Amino acid sequence: GQQLNQSPQSMFIQEGEDVSMNCTSSSIFNTWLWYKQEPGEGPVLLIALYKAGELTSNGRLTAQFGITRKDSFLNISASIPSDVGIYFCAGLEGYGNNRLAFGKGNQVVVIP
Amino acid sequence: DAGVIQSPRHEVTEMGQEVTLRCKPISGHDYLFWYRQTMMRGLELLIYFNNNVPIDDSGMPEDRFSAKMPNASFSTLKIQPSEPRDSAVYFCASSFLPGGQNTGELFFGEGSRLTVL
Repeated sequence: GQQLNQSPQSMFIQEGEDVSMNCTSSSIFNTWLWYKQEPGEGPVLLIALYKAGELTSNGRLTAQFGITRKDSFLNISASIPSDVGIYFCAGLEGYGNNRLAFGKGNQVVVIP
Repeated sequence: DAGVIQSPRHEVTEMGQEVTLRCKPISGHDYLFWYRQTMMRGLELLIYFNNNVPIDDSGMPEDRFSAKMPNASFSTLKIQPSEPRDSAVYFCASSFLPGGQNTGELFFGEGSRLTVL
């Protein structure tokens, strides 16, 4: 399957700080998505990106679809304790392809 | 509205036993996915269905795993016989394609945590 690379695995940040994470792939994706998983729950979609170069915001979250279509980043501004969780990037290769590939996730811990 | 419902939430069993995980997708969703999550491998797609028909089962690890979707509101993932390396959280997710366009949005259940001793 497709490999999506996320690093670092864990991030410890102070409440109020911004945090950025990125995701890269050796393959081109036509759709990039960011999901968040909280303990004991399934992942939930945060942001979806459908065009190369697209920059999309959802509250304190901002995500961009890389121009090369092989990367995406997610930024969380002014972090709060409820931002704790695992953030997954996911990619969809092409139209008619319903196999969503996931990265291994970034664990974010917010220190009050 | 009810989300994707999975059962059981937790299952502890002994090696060699049969395990059956159940999923009820969101009403009206015509795609259903089974994922497995482990620390080592992350989220792996096992199989997905469209309109109750299995479309891609290339992620099913081996013959011990089987999945069925007898109708639009129910699916099962069965492991027989189970092995310790099957220990993981198994997620079911459903989706629909508005206007035929795949948005990539999956609606996940809360998962079934399986421990095989």
